Amino acid sequence: QSALTQPPSASGSPGQSVTISCTGTSSDVGGYNYVSWYQQHPGKAPKLIIYEVTKRPSGVPDRFSASKSGNTAFLTVSGLQAEDEADYYCKSYGGYNVYVFGTGTKVTVL
Amino acid sequence: EAQLVESGGDSVQPGGSLRLSCTGSGFTFSSYWLTWVRQAPGKGLEWVANINQYGSEKFYADPVKGRFTISRDNDKKSLYLQLNNLRADDTAIYFCARYWRWGCDYWGQGTLVTVSS
Repeated sequence: QSALTQPPSASGSPGQSVTISCTGTSSDVGGYNYVSWYQQHPGKAPKLIIYEVTKRPSGVPDRFSASKSGNTAFLTVSGLQAEDEADYYCKSYGGYNVYVFGTGTKVTVL
Repeated sequence: EAQLVESGGDSVQPGGSLRLSCTGSGFTFSSYWLTWVRQAPGKGLEWVANINQYGSEKFYADPVKGRFTISRDNDKKSLYLQLNNLRADDTAIYFCARYWRWGCDYWGQGTLVTVSS
């Protein structure tokens, strides 16, 4: 149950795009299409922004998109806006009804 | 709209016990898997435990296995986490959340557990 690896930080100017990686193993990210992504603003609860690798819940802007290749999942935020500045976490099913989160990435809008 | 509200967080000494509660409203509580997730101060999210709709299947992260117990009472629309033999590294905000399509779509606001002598 080792945490998935994310870069500690990422940044971009308003209007630009930023992509965050989430690297696991064939036992979690690579083995199942059950990766989700969460946005967390300081002092707030996490918010689901992507489920089942690529799907967006109702109400989440289409500026948020995601994909997976092998053991690595990716979240892209396009057209960065000030309110996108937050911490982002991936989460994957790891088999046998256990789950694992990523280490988290702080996104800064310059 | 669905809502989850946690309670029960407190400051306890190492080796102590605590019971956290999470009450749901605005949705059919008995239809969903539920989970506890924690976040140590300034740190990332950590999955703690899951429970199925009926309370018959329970799963735990290795760091809490044998010390924490997840349970639920669907009649009371409540989820619980019994924390025993607490350690300093259990200090965290504990969130409850609802599972939907392998993601957690509704979260509570969290309740703080502090373990310190």
